[in-house]
Amino acid sequence: AQTVTQSQPEMSVQEAETVTLSCTYDTSESDYYLFWYKQPPSRQMILVIRQEAYKQQNATENRFSVNFQKAAKSFSLKISDSQLGDAAMYFCAYRSTGTASKLTFGTGTRLQVTL
Amino acid sequence: NAGVTQTPKFQVLKTGQSMTLQCAQDMNHEYMSWYRQDPGMGLRLIHYSVGAGITDQGEVPNGYNVSRSTTEDFPLRLLSAAPSQTSVYFCASSTAGRTEAFFGQGTRLTVV
Repeated sequence: AQTVTQSQPEMSVQEAETVTLSCTYDTSESDYYLFWYKQPPSRQMILVIRQEAYKQQNATENRFSVNFQKAAKSFSLKISDSQLGDAAMYFCAYRSTGTASKLTFGTGTRLQVTL
Repeated sequence: NAGVTQTPKFQVLKTGQSMTLQCAQDMNHEYMSWYRQDPGMGLRLIHYSVGAGITDQGEVPNGYNVSRSTTEDFPLRLLSAAPSQTSVYFCASSTAGRTEAFFGQGTRLTVV
């Protein structure tokens, strides 16, 4: 079974600064998908960014980018120019290519953004 | 653009009571799932479905039943609620054509 580990329960960043959230995973599969989801106080799960394992290029979405290290099974999220609205829980998640209905989540990192 | 709709948003049950959490999606997605979110544990898969009439167990299925009679609906039933089932429940749907899952707003369930 796959596992996802987020070793930082809480992180803090000043507004306009950059922060990196860590995620490692364990799998024996060669093709899969990785995601970062954001959960603000509203409880809604919002997709931040996705990465296909077969792609060597790191995904980027505006101020959000990932550092995907397949051999190391590492998938960190970098948030640049942090904004107050980025304060939330962030979950790393794994999905096998053949199981569209099954996500494995990490335990989450709570991000605080300070002035 | 309703997406995934969960009802109710909040519920308090007494131990031993039964209830059904409703989930409906209007995107014609073939895959649907239920997760529970507990502090410090992330989201864990309860049950999932790959199409109407087909369901299977996830990581934490005990105490929950599901059925999928239509593509749109995937209700989660608690037959005899226990305090250990106090949690936030999320329904999600997805399709083979896209990689991400779409989530409902969640149901906060408290069992006293």
